[in-house]
Amino acid sequence: QTVVTQEPSLTVSPGGTVTLTCASSTGAVTSDYYPNWFQHKPGQPPRTLLYRTSNRQSWTPSRFSGSLLGGKAALTLSGVQPEDEADYYCLLYYGDGPVFGGGTKLTVL
Amino acid sequence: QVTLKESGPVLVKPTETLTLTCTVSGFSLSNARLGVSWIRQPPGKALEWLAHIFASDEKTYTTSLKSRLTISRDTSKSQVVLIMTNMDPLDTATYYCARIWDDSRRIDYWGQGTLVTVSS
Repeated sequence: QTVVTQEPSLTVSPGGTVTLTCASSTGAVTSDYYPNWFQHKPGQPPRTLLYRTSNRQSWTPSRFSGSLLGGKAALTLSGVQPEDEADYYCLLYYGDGPVFGGGTKLTVL
Repeated sequence: QVTLKESGPVLVKPTETLTLTCTVSGFSLSNARLGVSWIRQPPGKALEWLAHIFASDEKTYTTSLKSRLTISRDTSKSQVVLIMTNMDPLDTATYYCARIWDDSRRIDYWGQGTLVTVSS
């Protein structure tokens, strides 16, 4: 069974920069996996941030950016704001369907 | 304005069948570029993709639950229905539906979610 792995937790200071990654058990992640990134806060539905690796939704702040880094999909937050504290999930597409990563809990401290 | 709204029972008993409905507005389920996904999140756990359906009637299910899931759509009612059989307490979760684009596999709009508890 395909497993998508993310860092369980990360901590960043306000104004800092942090990179979250998304790895596939099948090997290197490429744009063919159509990486999507989501932000999820308690009591709210998830909010889509990025699609197809690096494309922002119209509502996504420019401090969120996506890339492929070292065989993984990556989400970089630059100039982190306190409101960025949340869980972040990636989603990768495989031939038999998409799979979510386990999520990264981002603490802004 | 695009909206999706999940509806269904809040409580089901073990072994029962769950039927969830996603009612959409602001777009058409017959739009060839669009589809709807179902995703769930058990309490304290990660998101889990369950199934999606496109206007072409392409349907895909997560491998681990494929034998228990059925997804369908009623274009005239703007509804997508997910049926899950043989419910178990481990299926307790918040269930979301979301819009997906066929070409980019972009998920953009999500429903608010509905919490389903499986308990006797």
